[in-house]
Amino acid sequence: GDSVTQMEGPVTLSEEAFLTINCTYTATGYPSLFWYVQYPGEGLQLLLKATKADDKGSNKGFEATYRKETTSFHLEKGSVQVSDSAVYFCALAASNAGKSTFGDGTTLTVKP
Amino acid sequence: KAGVTQTPRYLIKTRGQQVTLSCSPISGHRSVSWYQQTPGQGLQFLFEYFSETQRNKGNFPGRFSGRQFSNSRSEMNVSTLELGDSALYLCASSLDIREAFFGQGTRLTVV
Repeated sequence: GDSVTQMEGPVTLSEEAFLTINCTYTATGYPSLFWYVQYPGEGLQLLLKATKADDKGSNKGFEATYRKETTSFHLEKGSVQVSDSAVYFCALAASNAGKSTFGDGTTLTVKP
Repeated sequence: KAGVTQTPRYLIKTRGQQVTLSCSPISGHRSVSWYQQTPGQGLQFLFEYFSETQRNKGNFPGRFSGRQFSNSRSEMNVSTLELGDSALYLCASSLDIREAFFGQGTRLTVV
């Protein structure tokens, strides 16, 4: 079945540091890929998405590129802020399924 | 445009009781999915409804059930609650099958 593997956390960075959170997936067909963010006590918010190979999703300084050859969708940000502290989830949705498959989540803490 | 609304936000129930959680999707969204989030198991898919029909189901026991009404609102029910059912239950609605919009969740505590 479909699966998503995320880089294990937690990740602690200083403000303005470069962020990479690795994500690889296994799926049949051509899934759409997503990054969601969850702040304490909240549900998940869609951060960015990509629906086909080589697409780059971007939002709020975060970027991720859909790499079919390496089945990866790594999340990057050039300069993190304290307000980016949250849990980040990589997810996929297969074209013929009404559900998303999520990674385990990576907790990011950014220190001033 | 209003987001996904889940009620109640918090619930405390006793073992053996049953509970019903409610989810109102974004207007126009016909797909509603439910997820259980726990520290140990992460986010696990429960089931998905589309136009009042269960279209997908995860690997949960029959104590977990759901339904969707003609206005797309959905409820999930858990009967004979166990301590291990304590979790954040998240509902998500979708216009198409790929992009999910989540509610804030219902925090269920079973004592």
